[in-house]
Amino acid sequence: NAGVTQTPKFRVLKTGQSMTLLCAQDMNHEYMYWYRQDPGMGLRLIHYSVGEGTTAKGEVPDGYNVSRLKKQNFLLGLESAAPSQTSVYFCASSKERSGTGSTDTQYFGPGTRLTVL
Amino acid sequence: GQNIDQPTEMTATEGAIVQINCTYQTSGFNGLFWYQQHAGEAPTFLSYNVLDGLEEKGRFSSFLSRSKGYSYLLLKELQMKDSASYLCAVFSISVTDSWGKFQFGAGTQVVVTP
Repeated sequence: NAGVTQTPKFRVLKTGQSMTLLCAQDMNHEYMYWYRQDPGMGLRLIHYSVGEGTTAKGEVPDGYNVSRLKKQNFLLGLESAAPSQTSVYFCASSKERSGTGSTDTQYFGPGTRLTVL
Repeated sequence: GQNIDQPTEMTATEGAIVQINCTYQTSGFNGLFWYQQHAGEAPTFLSYNVLDGLEEKGRFSSFLSRSKGYSYLLLKELQMKDSASYLCAVFSISVTDSWGKFQFGAGTQVVVTP
């Protein structure tokens, strides 16, 4: 049981390049999320998914796209990278949105450190 | 987390107690989580409160007052390995949104000194 994994762990891009970050979870979770974490800003939600084939915008979606073709995978795409997208990206998953207990907690992947020059 | 406030940094000595406060403003409150995040690592779940009162888990305790929009995380018998960032996160469900969401505070960096 690997939990939540992310690929790659590190990446350096030039402005205008594109890339895809892959998140995979083996816990059969319905919900998956992409966050970015910047110093002094906390974790900010980019996009999320409440099930296979569904995606929705979070707090800071501009410049990113996502896809959830399989339940266990959630992809984050940058079509044209900008220096403002330099950040640490975390994927997370949770069982479901029940709102009734600690099982709502999210499980996080190890993160992807992205630098855009 | 614009609506979640916690101190930026706290320093304490090994064996001491530290209390990290978190205040929040949200509608549709459905729980408050505390996470621990070591440098360069992912956040990991520490505690959860949805009702007023104190929840104790070993050396860590978390308190919630829903009427005051206030929570704290208490770390007792501090160890060097407790040096980390502690994130307060509020889970809320709005009447217009079928999906609940997490909002995270910026984190409190706890530095434990010998």
